[in-house]
Amino acid sequence: TQLLEQSPQFLSIQEGENLTVYCNSSSVFSSLQWYRQEPGEGPVLLVTVVTGGEVKKLKRLTFQFGDARKDSSLHITAAQPGDTGLYLCAGARGTDKLIFGTGTRLQVFP
Amino acid sequence: EPEVTQTPSHQVTQMGQEVILRCVPISNHLYFYWYRQILGQKVEFLVSFYNNEISEKSEIFDDQFSVERPDGSNFTLKIRSTKLEDSAMYFCASTLPASGEKLFFGSGTQLSVL
Repeated sequence: TQLLEQSPQFLSIQEGENLTVYCNSSSVFSSLQWYRQEPGEGPVLLVTVVTGGEVKKLKRLTFQFGDARKDSSLHITAAQPGDTGLYLCAGARGTDKLIFGTGTRLQVFP
Repeated sequence: EPEVTQTPSHQVTQMGQEVILRCVPISNHLYFYWYRQILGQKVEFLVSFYNNEISEKSEIFDDQFSVERPDGSNFTLKIRSTKLEDSAMYFCASTLPASGEKLFFGSGTQLSVL
């Protein structure tokens, strides 16, 4: 069974703080995606990382794919209330199903 | 930007009733998926569909579930006899090969089984 464990599960921080969310698996994936989900909405893709060791930046968000393509991290710099949401990692193998992580619920207080 | 649309946004049904959840994937996409998310839990894969047949299904997708692409446009998920534990948000997704494995998700159908 392919499992993607995310940590932490819940995170409450003040505006301006930095945070890192981790996504770990014992399985190798061809790519790893990060999604953000708002209540009552479907997941929205933030980024896809494909190459081991790859780092991608999206404004204040930095995504890294582990060298062995089994894990990934999401770092948010100077978090804002608008960053509040459920962050999901998902591993893919080609056009095979996506395996979603357990999710990290982030709350950023003003 | 093209999007995946799902109807209805909310569905309330009695236990034992049949429900059909509808999805219109992005028009040139070839792979279609159904996922579900029970409240407070993670997004779970149900089934993938390609070339007019199921390519993979999870253990959740038992004989009570079926999918269909009846007219080349819609992609439906049918639950024949709903159970209380089927209550969840159901998401449809589609993708195009060579899109970098990017799945486009609909906004979901919230199914409540009473």
